[in-house]
Amino acid sequence: DTGVSQNPRHKITKRGQNVTFRCDPISEHNRLYWYRQTLGQGPEFLTYFQNEAQLEKSRLLSDRFSAERPKGSFSTLEIQRTEQGDSAMYLCASSPIWGGPYGYTFGSGTRLTVV
Amino acid sequence: AQTVTQSQPEMSVQEAETVTLSCTYDTSESDYYLFWYKQPPSRQMILVIRQEAYKQQNATENRFSVNFQKAAKSFSLKISDSQLGDAAMYFCAYRSSMEYGNKLVFGAGTILRVKS
Repeated sequence: DTGVSQNPRHKITKRGQNVTFRCDPISEHNRLYWYRQTLGQGPEFLTYFQNEAQLEKSRLLSDRFSAERPKGSFSTLEIQRTEQGDSAMYLCASSPIWGGPYGYTFGSGTRLTVV
Repeated sequence: AQTVTQSQPEMSVQEAETVTLSCTYDTSESDYYLFWYKQPPSRQMILVIRQEAYKQQNATENRFSVNFQKAAKSFSLKISDSQLGDAAMYFCAYRSSMEYGNKLVFGAGTILRVKS
């Protein structure tokens, strides 16, 4: 297992376009998380999945954002009608279901630039 | 809601010296976990060290150690014998043990520069 993989690494899009990011977690991890990190800030929680169920969504996740995790494996995060304020690093992370004192394993992120 | 504050936007340290990064947090919970993550430029975030709130003993991982002051809600990171590879953004993070989802609450980060 090579860890958490995110694609693409960088995405430049025009305002108003739709974009989709993919995250492949560590295979034995049941939980998958999406965070958004803007320049100079710490990551902010967007949503998480336990297997294929999306169990929590932040109020940051407007109706233009949708996330899926079909079959409890990889996940996609789609942003519709992108706005300049969506420019950020989108981080994916995964963890075992039992959590405990352990942190996550993060991916390298997808950097989105909306022009 | 819990909050995490890192009051030092940027710190510098000379190679081989020691540096301490500060973190305070606010919570009404008694049981939780605290973490320090390192994010090198354009690379993924990695866990540096973690602390369970119920443990009085401060965590240590090689050159990294924490000073956990539960009553003061303070969780500082000490890096000893600093190396060039320590240069990165460091994030302090909180995780509730009560919430089911294990989500993390991060501070704004501290950029650490290491001078040779």
